[in-house]
Amino acid sequence: GEDVEQSLFLSVREGDSSVINCTYTDSSSTYLYWYKQEPGAGLQLLTYIFSNMDMKQDQRLTVLLNKKDKHLSLRIADTQTGDSAIYFCAELAGGFKTIFGAGTRLFVKA
Amino acid sequence: GAGVSQSPSNKVTEKGKDVELRCDPISGHTALYWYRQRLGQGLEFLIYFQGNSAPDKSGLPSDRFSAERTGESVSTLTIQRTQQEDSAVYLCASSLRQGMDTEAFFGQGTRLTVV
Repeated sequence: GEDVEQSLFLSVREGDSSVINCTYTDSSSTYLYWYKQEPGAGLQLLTYIFSNMDMKQDQRLTVLLNKKDKHLSLRIADTQTGDSAIYFCAELAGGFKTIFGAGTRLFVKA
Repeated sequence: GAGVSQSPSNKVTEKGKDVELRCDPISGHTALYWYRQRLGQGLEFLIYFQGNSAPDKSGLPSDRFSAERTGESVSTLTIQRTQQEDSAVYLCASSLRQGMDTEAFFGQGTRLTVV
């Protein structure tokens, strides 16, 4: 079945890199996403990667996709306190249904 | 409208009462989702509508929960005989299933408190 899994918590020091990992199950997924939810706010798309790509870089963000292992990661370089949020991994599975993980809560310590 | 609109933004109800939550998706978006987010927890998928296809109801937690959508417009999520464990933020999202436009746009949610 369709499932997206990610660890629930990650704590890093300000200035360090954060790596949030995710695994998914639908090998036919065409798009994989990272959404961000800041405290008290709604979810917003942070970045996405098409399934025929291995890597995508966008300023401090690097997305790595290992399609063979169905593993997606989000790396945030030079993590700032403003990056503290919940990060959701999601896949566009068969039937065009977007499946979300439970979210990883990132804590950034000053 | 400019974005996904949900109403009410907050709802306090007594245990055992029925509640109806409304979602107005972005015009033209064929896909619509309902999720539940309990305090401090992640997203829990409830139901998915895609155009005129039969909805995917696999995430509805019990038969007290139901949802409807009229065509490609408004959706309502109904919770009957509410229980305290139903207290959560209920999020609606819509997306345009064409080409590259697959981003899900979320509403601000309805915070439901069952007392």
